[in-house]
Amino acid sequence: DAGVIQSPRHEVTEMGQEVTLRCKPISGHNSLFWYRQTMMRGLELLIYFNNNVPIDDSGMPEDRFSAKMPNASFSTLKIQPSEPRDSAVYFCASSLGGQGAGETQYFGPGTRLLVL
Amino acid sequence: AQSVAQPEDQVNVAEGNPLTVKCTYSVSGNPYLFWYVQYPNRGLQFLLKYITGDNLVKGSYGFEAEFNKSQTSFHLKKPSALVSDSALYFCAVRDNGRDDKIIFGKGTRLHILP
Repeated sequence: DAGVIQSPRHEVTEMGQEVTLRCKPISGHNSLFWYRQTMMRGLELLIYFNNNVPIDDSGMPEDRFSAKMPNASFSTLKIQPSEPRDSAVYFCASSLGGQGAGETQYFGPGTRLLVL
Repeated sequence: AQSVAQPEDQVNVAEGNPLTVKCTYSVSGNPYLFWYVQYPNRGLQFLLKYITGDNLVKGSYGFEAEFNKSQTSFHLKKPSALVSDSALYFCAVRDNGRDDKIIFGKGTRLHILP
């Protein structure tokens, strides 16, 4: 298996522009997670899905952030409009199994976002 | 609420010496505990986990961790450090009695000195 695939790997944009990050989870995995990593705040869970349904989006910073999972093999994280403080590395992870399991999360390589 | 703490931002160890990266946790029920490692410009990689059973868990790259319920700790250890072990290490916890997400610690940067 190719593992979790994220695109793009790097994104540079200007403040106010829309940014869309993409993720393809490992085939057969039922849960998908979006994380943000910064030096100041460390690793933060933004949202996670189970069987394509958003379970907990309490980590989403504000209304400028939205995430979708239209099917089991694809998810997007969108920022509109983007701001310089959104600059971070965004990771997608997936795991087998749903709630209540001690499942291991498998992380993608991340998207490094820079908002100028 | 569940939480996890990694009290050391950085740990320095000489190559060949044993290493320990500390982690303590707090949950209301029984914990699931994890260690992940992150190399530069890479995503997190799973090292090992404790779900139930033997308190000593062995994982990838010669790492192991010991679950200590009385001290609510899950310290990561390796008998002999390699320079290639230098990376950022994350401890994570989940309360297995609740539908809660996994919580990651802030990470500990491990430097192995040649």
